[in-house]
Amino acid sequence: NAGVTQTPKFQVLKTGQSMTLQCAQDMNHEYMSWYRQDPGMGLRLIHYSVGAGITDQGEVPNGYNVSRSTTEDFPLRLLSAAPSQTSVYFCASVPGGAEGEQFFGPGTRLTVL
Amino acid sequence: KQEVTQIPAALSVPEGENLVLNCSFTDSAIYNLQWFRQDPGKGLTSLLLIQSSQREQTSGRLNASLDKSSGRSTLYIAASQPGDSATYLCAVLASGSRLTFGEGTQLTVNP
Repeated sequence: NAGVTQTPKFQVLKTGQSMTLQCAQDMNHEYMSWYRQDPGMGLRLIHYSVGAGITDQGEVPNGYNVSRSTTEDFPLRLLSAAPSQTSVYFCASVPGGAEGEQFFGPGTRLTVL
Repeated sequence: KQEVTQIPAALSVPEGENLVLNCSFTDSAIYNLQWFRQDPGKGLTSLLLIQSSQREQTSGRLNASLDKSSGRSTLYIAASQPGDSATYLCAVLASGSRLTFGEGTQLTVNP
């Protein structure tokens, strides 16, 4: 198994541009989530999904969209990038519900100029 | 709102020392608590998961305890090694399928 994969590893955007961060897992996990990690603020939950077709907002959802059309993929869309979205983004998946062990991807480091 | 605090923020110890990392949380109504390790520029690796009904979990030189009533968890690392140098994060899962993280303890083990 490849586990949780994220692409790209690095990305630089200009303010106002849009892009999609990709996340995929091959472990057939139902629960997937997106976090951002910022110095002094720890990891914060952006959006999560308990299964295909079901998504919900986390702690900091503004400026981000998600969809879950398949069990394997959970892309995160930045609609109009802002410098405040400069961060490291992590995707995670959990077997079964959210109560299990979290498996994290390697992260995407995003800079918005 | 659940808040998770980790003390100390940074810790430097000589190789071989036993050490304790602390994690506290404000809302004791949790489903589980998880300890992670993060190496610089990398993702998080799960170390130990303690369900709310459990008091401790062990894996090799690592032992994590959970006291829900007092809102505390400790991660004990025995006989520390330079390879243990990393940032250690704790996270609690409460209602709404939301995991709340602490800011981590940056550990340096000196040869």
